[in-house]
Amino acid sequence: AQSVTQLGSHVSVSEGALVLLRCNYSSSVPPYLFWYVQYPNQGLQLLLKYTSAATLVKGINGFEAEFKKSETSFHLTKPSAHMSDAAEYFCAVGVISNFGNEKLTFGTGTRLTIIP
Amino acid sequence: EAQVTQNPRYLITVTGKKLTVTCSQNMNHEYMSWYRQDPGLGLRQIYYSMNVEVTDKGDVPEGYKVSRKEKRNFPLILESPSPNQTSLYFCASSFMGGTGNTIYFGEGSWLTVV
Repeated sequence: AQSVTQLGSHVSVSEGALVLLRCNYSSSVPPYLFWYVQYPNQGLQLLLKYTSAATLVKGINGFEAEFKKSETSFHLTKPSAHMSDAAEYFCAVGVISNFGNEKLTFGTGTRLTIIP
Repeated sequence: EAQVTQNPRYLITVTGKKLTVTCSQNMNHEYMSWYRQDPGLGLRQIYYSMNVEVTDKGDVPEGYKVSRKEKRNFPLILESPSPNQTSLYFCASSFMGGTGNTIYFGEGSWLTVV
């Protein structure tokens, strides 16, 4: 079974400051890892995903995440926060079952607030 | 345009009154699933389907039913809704197989059961 822990349900950063959202995972098989963003009153949008290729993954809107197997982490970063980054962010771990279906397990989410 | 469409987007209903939330995707995806989102709990999978007539329980299936008679549609049925099913519901779809296929989400359906 897999699980995801997102540290910090709320994170506030100043505009222009570094954004760091933490995600640790647990999986008995090599995982696929995802970050999704949810803007107010909208569905989830894929930011980036790790699928066992490069450990540093670049996504949309200037976000990136680094897969660190030794730390079982997949933290999301952005060098300079923008007001439009205010949203809720979900980390998810995915595994492919023996039946070929993809099972995604989500973290509880981190709400990012940007301070002007 | 690739889309997952859910209806209704907002619904207030009474305890025990059967309701159906429809979901349709236009990407010919084999895999579809339903999630519910609750504060502090993130998204939890209710049911999923790997193809037509193939469905299985997710993590929180109690009180829900699904069907997959056509590839593009995957309705969520609440036979006798209860207040603890008040939640935000998301339908999602993706291709099967491969590695880390992108999952596409609908815009969500806010359901309130009173």
